[in-house]
Amino acid sequence: GENVEQHPSTLSVQEGDSAVIKCTYSDSASNYFPWYKQELGKRPQLIIDIRSNVGEKKDQRIAVTLNKTAKHFSLHITETQPEDSAVYFCAATNFGNEKLTFGTGTRLTIIP
Amino acid sequence: GAVVSQHPSWVICKSGTSVKIECRSLDFQATTMFWYRQFPKQSLMLMATSNEGSKATYEQGVEKDKFLINHASLTLSTLTVTSAHPEDSSFYICSASGLASYNEQFFGPGTRLTVL
Repeated sequence: GENVEQHPSTLSVQEGDSAVIKCTYSDSASNYFPWYKQELGKRPQLIIDIRSNVGEKKDQRIAVTLNKTAKHFSLHITETQPEDSAVYFCAATNFGNEKLTFGTGTRLTIIP
Repeated sequence: GAVVSQHPSWVICKSGTSVKIECRSLDFQATTMFWYRQFPKQSLMLMATSNEGSKATYEQGVEKDKFLINHASLTLSTLTVTSAHPEDSSFYICSASGLASYNEQFFGPGTRLTVL
């Protein structure tokens, strides 16, 4: 089955700086890679996703890059703000399967 | 985005009792629902996948006789934790996807179960 690794497990950045979280996956059949933000005690919220037919996607301060050859994808948050503090999870799935395999999570802390 | 609700949002029960958690898709038909368990400071772990009208598919290591899943309609799935024990205390989250959602999963708000 799919295995998703995520690094780092914790990340602290100064407000206004950029944050990068990286994930690798094992199943070359995976073709959909969403990123979720989860605040304490709340549901995961989809913040951005990328499909395997594109290499990069951007939505305001958030961007995701995908390297299919190396089987890794990354989340980039620019101009970080205190409200970006949360736990972020990457995930991977094969559309035909629909099961999401989650990474282990990254606790991001933005230092004011 | 689509709305998924869960009920109850939290529950406290005595060891040995059973607890039922409901997951509803409010504005779309969920052909598939997923049940996850999340322990503190850990990731979401898929417990089972259920398709409307058929038996759930459980992940390895998840006891199907302990975690009963019913997906009787396109808008409702239930998870029953039978004979709950303290180690079953966790955050249970459902998600739902449908043909119209292009396989994106929409998550419920979660249910925090505490077994005394």
